[in-house]
Amino acid sequence: DQQVKQNSPSLSVQEGRISILNCDYTNSMFDYFLWYKKYPAEGPTFLISISSIKDKNEDGRFTVFLNKSAKHLSLHIVPSQPGDSAVYFCAASAIQGGSEKLVFGKGTKLTVNP
Amino acid sequence: DADVTQTPRNRITKTGKRIMLECSQTKGHDRMYWYRQDPGLGLRLIYYSFDVKDINKGEISDGYSVSRQAQAKFSLSLESAIPNQTALYFCATSDLGRGYQETQYFGPGTRLLVL
Repeated sequence: DQQVKQNSPSLSVQEGRISILNCDYTNSMFDYFLWYKKYPAEGPTFLISISSIKDKNEDGRFTVFLNKSAKHLSLHIVPSQPGDSAVYFCAASAIQGGSEKLVFGKGTKLTVNP
Repeated sequence: DADVTQTPRNRITKTGKRIMLECSQTKGHDRMYWYRQDPGLGLRLIYYSFDVKDINKGEISDGYSVSRQAQAKFSLSLESAIPNQTALYFCATSDLGRGYQETQYFGPGTRLLVL
């Protein structure tokens, strides 16, 4: 059973516009969420995170929103740049539930067109 | 210099061969992880270690074994490689103790092809 779902395998956006990547989860014990970015031939790199006590966290062009009632989070990139083209993984962990390991989604490939 | 290194970066082997993938880190982190990535399947946890004396199975540990030689080194072995172990393998580290929210830092990956 997939606990972290990224239902869109790919997303294409025009440079300068907003990119919105979505992630849904099923485990209500998850209390920490992260987004990773992965370029080809490189390992995933940490992008931004959010704790379940917050509903928004912003870092420059990147903002993560968390809707706990819907078990949904999203990553907004504004404005999108061609260098943002990568695969984005959503991940979650559950400290309270004793499962401190990260659970990853399958990823969404973002392409930002010049 | 990279904080998390993996060797080899690419490897081709034959079915039935034993192969070891190595991971080293200079971040001083206690926690280390091995993942595999397959197309369309995301990152799946193979094994993890919270310190040198602590080894735990992940969701797909069958066919794999690990060794935590030191805080900085965590090796993944395929005792008898099979074609469906062809994948991209990542090592990761984190430094937070139990009860804290962790961020993991990944190595560059090892691309393994089993013929």
